[in-house]
Amino acid sequence: GAVVSQHPSWVICKSGTSVKIECRSLDFQATTMFWYRQFPKQSLMLMATSNEGSKATYEQGVEKDKFLINHASLTLSTLTVTSAHPEDSSFYICSARNDRAGNTIYFGEGSWLTVV
Amino acid sequence: DAKTTQPNSMESNEEEPVHLPCNHSTISGTDYIHWYRQLPSQGPEYVIHGLTSNVNNRMASLAIAEDRKSSTLILHRATLRDAAVYYCILSANSGYSTLTFGKGTMLLVSP
Repeated sequence: GAVVSQHPSWVICKSGTSVKIECRSLDFQATTMFWYRQFPKQSLMLMATSNEGSKATYEQGVEKDKFLINHASLTLSTLTVTSAHPEDSSFYICSARNDRAGNTIYFGEGSWLTVV
Repeated sequence: DAKTTQPNSMESNEEEPVHLPCNHSTISGTDYIHWYRQLPSQGPEYVIHGLTSNVNNRMASLAIAEDRKSSTLILHRATLRDAAVYYCILSANSGYSTLTFGKGTMLLVSP
């Protein structure tokens, strides 16, 4: 089946530093990818929609200058958490829409971010 | 996106069928019904989706009410690996649609 891969699967960073998370669609092209955040025992919250070759669309309340999204190719989107703080610690999940398979959306394995 | 209502949790025994309900009384004509499930510390996994007719795949079956105001995800023989949070989501299934997650149903499977 369609595979979406995230890297790293977990990362620990110091407060004030930036960290980048990659999301790749391994066997299909994805014009559109999505980034979610999930806190413990809560549901997924959509942060932004990433479109290849254009600016991401952020959900209300999500700071675009803090969560930088780049979707430079049809198989790769990156999320950079800038000047990370402990409250940014969360499970970050990406997903990708397979444009050739009825627009079905597939999710990555998720990336745990811990800011210390 | 139209809202869905699911029970917070359900329990099942291994090897037994499981029927997970979802109410979506405000569904629009273009909304597809999607089901995803999420195991602990993993990203959601696609299960099945449908529009009007019942659907079957290797993972599950989806039964859609005639008025489309409710649907049921059917796991024919639950296994321990099916223990997860199951999300019922409505989406237009177009190139512009997104998936908005509710709280889902936590399925507990006992040996």
